[in-house]
Amino acid sequence: GAGVSQSPSNKVTEKGKDVELRCDPISGHTALYWYRQSLGQGLEFLIYFQGNSAPDKSGLPSDRFSAERTGGSVSTLTIQRTQQEDSAVYLCASSLARRDGYGYTFGSGTRLTVV
Amino acid sequence: QKEVEQNSGPLSVPEGAIASLNCTYSDRVSQSFFWYRQYSGKSPELIMSIYSNGDKEDGRFTAQLNKASQYVSLLIRDSQPSDSATYLCAVNMWGGGADGLTFGKGTHLIIQP
Repeated sequence: GAGVSQSPSNKVTEKGKDVELRCDPISGHTALYWYRQSLGQGLEFLIYFQGNSAPDKSGLPSDRFSAERTGGSVSTLTIQRTQQEDSAVYLCASSLARRDGYGYTFGSGTRLTVV
Repeated sequence: QKEVEQNSGPLSVPEGAIASLNCTYSDRVSQSFFWYRQYSGKSPELIMSIYSNGDKEDGRFTAQLNKASQYVSLLIRDSQPSDSATYLCAVNMWGGGADGLTFGKGTHLIIQP
């Protein structure tokens, strides 16, 4: 597609429920990143996919968080047993390659609210 | 520990003046540097990239890089109220960086009409 597409744009869920967030990167972009941004805070790196390589999960805050990328394209971030501190905007970004010097293109984000 | 430091602000600049945003980084082998603009409630948007020492100009924006001082800046000439946003500095830290780009926490810029 023309840009990075994320869905849903907003999600309200009850504490303890599982949620799935979807990211469809720009066609041809091999690198895909998930970030989290809490209100008034900077970008917190979560996970990174590059082609068919094993993902870099070093930023995932707990084992309740997981992510997949199917066919080197669409990615799903899953949060199990959501907690109120998980409330944030979850941003997906893609680029041509890791360390490619081209910068990232971000999607519009999913605003997650855990009540 | 990779770090990208920015003054959080707010930085208040009168309309028509030059806004100067600064960023320092910790990793000496960094190769690529980016400035993102983020409006409130929106996602970051890439506005400038710079890879070599010196200045790079694009319209009203000028990025300045000094690798010896580990310093990158963004100048906005003829500031407009529409420039009011948070500006994120991002550095591509080669040499073991797991996430590619390391972002600063951003500087909140306010252009006063």
